[in-house]
Amino acid sequence: SSELTQDPAVSVALGQTVRITCQGDSLRSYFASWYQQKPGQAPRLVLYGKNNRPSGIPDRLSGSSSGNTSSLTITGAQAEDEADYYCSSRDRSGNLPSYVFGTGTKVTVL
Amino acid sequence: QLQLQESGPGLVKPSETLSLTCTVSGGSISTSNYYWGWVRQPPGKGLEWIGSIHNSGSTYFIPSLNSRLTISLDTSKNQFSLKLTSVTAADTALYYCARHFGLLQFVSWFDPWGQGTLVTVSS
Repeated sequence: SSELTQDPAVSVALGQTVRITCQGDSLRSYFASWYQQKPGQAPRLVLYGKNNRPSGIPDRLSGSSSGNTSSLTITGAQAEDEADYYCSSRDRSGNLPSYVFGTGTKVTVL
Repeated sequence: QLQLQESGPGLVKPSETLSLTCTVSGGSISTSNYYWGWVRQPPGKGLEWIGSIHNSGSTYFIPSLNSRLTISLDTSKNQFSLKLTSVTAADTALYYCARHFGLLQFVSWFDPWGQGTLVTVSS
């Protein structure tokens, strides 16, 4: 199985834009999904597929992908966006389907 | 609204079996084309997919746990379960259950998630 690599931490000024990237071989074949996790809470799905947001997720969160890299962009970051973000995707282990999470990025809103 | 809730012992001795159950409410676990999965998170660390089961009974696991892991469904109780044998301290983690979309598709995701249950492996 492959790995998904993310920057450990990024910071963004309130109201500014930040991009979180996720790199891995599986992203050449499969779309990424993204999860937001705040301290003491379960992860929450925020993006999936090409650029789909579940109900209730603000449109300042958007996704894109190119080659082996997928990105989550927060445009006009708010204090409530401060959290850990994990990318993920389907993977393959030999001939069997598998699933992998990224290493996680801690986003700090200044 | 679909909700998931994990349950099971919070403390397991080394070499013993960890058993957790996820109870699903607000929807049927037998609904077609959904998988039901387990994800764990060691304290202070990232997320790790453990395995998922389809409502047909097909299961897929992370290779490193394949020999120790069983995931099963109980449609009569609207539950699915995890059993991990021969546990060590490395299995100490928050264990989450979640509905898993599209494990065999080009896009796959978990939603919604249970609140998680902490399992500590210690004598």
